[in-house]
Amino acid sequence: DTAVSQTPKYLVTQMGNDKSIKCEQNLGHDTMYWYKQDSKKFLKIMFSYNNKELIINETVPNRFSPKSPDKAHLNLHINSLELGDSAVYFCASSQVVVSGNTIYFGEGSWLTVV
Amino acid sequence: GDSVTQMEGPVTLSEEAFLTINCTYTATGYPSLFWYVQYPGEGLQLLLKATKADDKGSNKGFEATYRKETTSFHLEKGSVQVSDSAVYFCALWMDSSYKLIFGSGTRLLVRP
Repeated sequence: DTAVSQTPKYLVTQMGNDKSIKCEQNLGHDTMYWYKQDSKKFLKIMFSYNNKELIINETVPNRFSPKSPDKAHLNLHINSLELGDSAVYFCASSQVVVSGNTIYFGEGSWLTVV
Repeated sequence: GDSVTQMEGPVTLSEEAFLTINCTYTATGYPSLFWYVQYPGEGLQLLLKATKADDKGSNKGFEATYRKETTSFHLEKGSVQVSDSAVYFCALWMDSSYKLIFGSGTRLLVRP
């Protein structure tokens, strides 16, 4: 069983469209994250939720809206897609938000905006 | 702010060579330190971690020691294989910021 699963894995869409990426974890973790990896492989956190409550929002444009319907899911909705949104988006989860806790990542969603 | 600096790649080695990928960090407190690996076309996998000074993390022949005096967490492997070709990320976690901060990644290419 995949611990952190994301769908879709690949997404090609036109500028201006709205799209969603879904994420689910079956590890029973309380905390979930979205990270963005740009074309140079640089990884940066976007959002973090703990028990469905937003705890980190890292200066992300408000076109990006995370939604956590329950502890096991954290979806990412993106409005009015722009070329610069092309990246790999990683969902992740951890048991609690404390030092030393391992963060488990999904396989990534490759978004290409054309 | 907290940050991680990794050596720039790519690092190209022959099979069975010794590997070192340097990682240093800047943090106001005492972070936990991690190495993640990303194989081509795949997601991130935890390779090893250390949560306090002088701890050594190890996995699959890779090792890294948490050196507080030099603020470093260098990754080493005695004999690399072609299958080790990947991008390696050093990262730190601070309780004060609730997030994992990554270095820029180092691409390793191992040739037969």
